Amino acid sequence: EPEVTQTPSHQVTQMGQEVILRCVPISNHLYFYWYRQILGQKVEFLVSFYNNEISEKSEIFDDQFSVERPDGSNFTLKIRSTKLEDSAMYFCASGWGGSTDTQYFGPGTRLTVL
Amino acid sequence: DQQVKQNSPSLSVQEGRISILNCDYTNSMFDYFLWYKKYPAEGPTFLISISSIKDKNEDGRFTVFLNKSAKHLSLHIVPSQPGDSAVYFCAASANGGYQKVTFGTGTKLQVIP
Repeated sequence: EPEVTQTPSHQVTQMGQEVILRCVPISNHLYFYWYRQILGQKVEFLVSFYNNEISEKSEIFDDQFSVERPDGSNFTLKIRSTKLEDSAMYFCASGWGGSTDTQYFGPGTRLTVL
Repeated sequence: DQQVKQNSPSLSVQEGRISILNCDYTNSMFDYFLWYKKYPAEGPTFLISISSIKDKNEDGRFTVFLNKSAKHLSLHIVPSQPGDSAVYFCAASANGGYQKVTFGTGTKLQVIP
């Protein structure tokens, strides 16, 4: 069964450093998403991406964040200058689109900012 | 911003019995509802969904009920199995499933053998 994959599973970085989280969505999907879950809190939407552009973003997704689909298979989330409060699990998701679409989630990347 | 609420943080059920997980929502624009199951250190796994044009959807041991007038949905698991022990998230989206999904806080289900 096709699945969303994410790398790395755990990323440790120093505050102020740039990180890139990588995702390979399910191959025939057209919509791509990033969510995050801070420890003890609920899963929160960050951004959705369709047709090579952002279709929606939350207030969390500020200028420090960017997304890219550099080729036909990868979808990346870049945090330019990490802060302590960026420490969280980051989940990539993908869906084919449609009124009853389901978003399928990857296993997540645990980002720890020191 | 509690648009999707799961008021029970935890639930314990004996194996073989029914598990009922509840969820309330406040946003009238939500028209697609999902349940995800999540194990520690893993991503949410899709379980079952329901469109607002229906009031019930069944898939094997899992049934989701939607009461639009009460803005309430529930997930029934019958019979419950120890492998069902996980955190269950209710989620909703507006204007179709490809829009952002808003998650509830989750209910931790423990099925006791």
